[in-house]
Amino acid sequence: EAQVTQNPRYLITVTGKKLTVTCSQNMNHEYMSWYRQDPGLGLRQIYYSMNVEVTDKGDVPEGYKVSRKEKRNFPLILESPSPNQTSLYFCASSISGQYSNQPQHFGDGTRLSIL
Amino acid sequence: AQSVAQPEDQVNVAEGNPLTVKCTYSVSGNPYLFWYVQYPNRGLQFLLKYITGDNLVKGSYGFEAEFNKSQTSFHLKKPSALVSDSALYFCAVRDVFRDDKIIFGKGTRLHILP
Repeated sequence: EAQVTQNPRYLITVTGKKLTVTCSQNMNHEYMSWYRQDPGLGLRQIYYSMNVEVTDKGDVPEGYKVSRKEKRNFPLILESPSPNQTSLYFCASSISGQYSNQPQHFGDGTRLSIL
Repeated sequence: AQSVAQPEDQVNVAEGNPLTVKCTYSVSGNPYLFWYVQYPNRGLQFLLKYITGDNLVKGSYGFEAEFNKSQTSFHLKKPSALVSDSALYFCAVRDVFRDDKIIFGKGTRLHILP
């Protein structure tokens, strides 16, 4: 089954403790992206990747890091999480950034709570 | 700069009635337009898209959307609402002449009343 898999689905942690949210897709997609969803603000893009070893900032990249060492994986790293990063996070992928008429496939989300 | 607006935070419709969820956009060139739906505890699911051609686009679950270039709108519609259509709906736009950063609206929560 074609899917985007995020782990963990839920995480409660404390300020300053480094964490990684993994994202993996099995569709051989070139384009991957991370979003955060907050009430009243909708979806905001954190980082995106057009292909392996190519990443770029989205609209709200501060406090986050990403890497794209393999085509299927696009982990989101919070080096020193803070309470304002408490949010619902989504990973997404699509066939190719060049073919931008293609829809994105989303994971089921990761709910992070930073205390 | 490209932008997309969903002017209604919430829409309430009685089951069986037609529904409309509004979306307007602003881009410098021609737009690619999308609608997504989000059910509780799930990620966004693609409903339909407009790229070019016929202004009326048909999608999943009986939904359709009408592209109106003069009004820069892409409203989502369904002739007869079901309770199971209750969800959060997102409109999204990509400007053909910019890079591949898609912009999402803030979402509209649709409540279908039994």
